[in-house]
Amino acid sequence: EAGVVQSPRYKIIEKKQPVAFWCNPISGHNTLYWYRQNLGQGPELLIRYENEEAVDDSQLPKDRFSAERLKGVDSTLKIQPAELGDSAVYLCASSLDNFYEQYFGPGTRLTVT
Amino acid sequence: KQEVTQIPAALSVPEGENLVLNCSFTDSAIYNLQWFRQDPGKGLTSLLLIQSSQREQTSGRLNASLDKSSGRSTLYIAASQPGDSATYLCAVSPVVANQAGTALIFGKGTTLSVSS
Repeated sequence: EAGVVQSPRYKIIEKKQPVAFWCNPISGHNTLYWYRQNLGQGPELLIRYENEEAVDDSQLPKDRFSAERLKGVDSTLKIQPAELGDSAVYLCASSLDNFYEQYFGPGTRLTVT
Repeated sequence: KQEVTQIPAALSVPEGENLVLNCSFTDSAIYNLQWFRQDPGKGLTSLLLIQSSQREQTSGRLNASLDKSSGRSTLYIAASQPGDSATYLCAVSPVVANQAGTALIFGKGTTLSVSS
């Protein structure tokens, strides 16, 4: 069974530029999560989807971040414009449903210069 | 607000030692607790999931316990090997009023180094 797929793995951009991350969850997983992990910290939730509905986006900086999950499968997270403080690893995870074990992708390491 | 703390932040042991990693959380209202492993520059690999009604889970040389009432979990690694070197993260799924399901709240992790 294929795991959670993320691309790109690495991205370097200048501040004020836009950037997008893509995630393909494990087949059949209804719940999809985007987390951000800063250096030396644990991941923190940005947004959680149940199928195509964003059910928890309270931690998403909505002035510059947006996300979508079309058809309840793949998801895209976008930042526009990027700031220096956005440098982090962006992790996507999926689970069968609420309360089930979460499986993480390899992450996208973003560096904003 | 739920907070997760992991002690120690770093640990170095010689190969073959048994060791314990500690995790504490401030609110006992959780659905489950999960232990993850993270290698440098990689994503998270799930090691063990303990439901709130369970006391422990075992997988190979790993054993995780949960004492929900005291807000503590331990990850026991038997006969450590250099390949066990990684950062170990503990995370809880908190119960949130009027919300069906939640995301995980993570600790900062314990970085383990096992020398040969």
